[in-house]
Amino acid sequence: AQKITQTQPGMFVQEKEAVTLDCTYDTSDPSYGLFWYKQPSSGEMIFLIYQGSYDQQNATEGRYSLNFQKARKSANLVISASQLGDSAMYFCAMRLPSGDTGRRALTFGSGTRLQVQP
Amino acid sequence: ETGVTQTPRHLVMGMTNKKSLKCEQHLGHNAMYWYKQSAKKPLELMFVYSLEERVENNSVPSRFSPECPNSSHLFLHLHTLQPEDSALYLCTSSHEVELIASNIDYNSPLHFGNGTRLTVT
Repeated sequence: AQKITQTQPGMFVQEKEAVTLDCTYDTSDPSYGLFWYKQPSSGEMIFLIYQGSYDQQNATEGRYSLNFQKARKSANLVISASQLGDSAMYFCAMRLPSGDTGRRALTFGSGTRLQVQP
Repeated sequence: ETGVTQTPRHLVMGMTNKKSLKCEQHLGHNAMYWYKQSAKKPLELMFVYSLEERVENNSVPSRFSPECPNSSHLFLHLHTLQPEDSALYLCTSSHEVELIASNIDYNSPLHFGNGTRLTVT
């Protein structure tokens, strides 16, 4: 069964600095997708970035980039130039290919609470 | 504005009540899911409706009953809940491709609603 591990329950970062949120995953499937979501205190889950297992390059979306190290099974999120509005819970998640409906659902890690300090 | 709308946003109910959570998606997706988010726990998949197939997490108690009348609407019927069922319930949708052993549909993100925060008293 697939598993996502986020070992940092909480992180602090100074405004305008970069921060890395760790994520490791475990699956025996060669094909998978890795996602990062942001959840502000209001509760909604906001999709940030995606990395496919066959992608050769690390994904980037604005200030977000994903440090994908396939051999280590890690998919760390890097937020550059942190802003106060980045304070939120961040979840790493994995999705497997179809063929089994349950596998297509996202498996989430336990999350990291990021606090950006002025 | 999110393409997935959940109502109500907040719900307080007694253990003997019956209530329903509603989810509606306007994204043309063909799969919908219920997740439960409890404090200090990873998000837990409860139910999936995808390509006319329903999948359940076997650990979900029978006091939770899903209904998916069409690809745009999803309900979660609640009855005789327990205080430990208090949580944020999140609905999400995605577009699924009906291909066997497809490698191309795991890259579509799930789109979440704002959630219903449920308190059972």
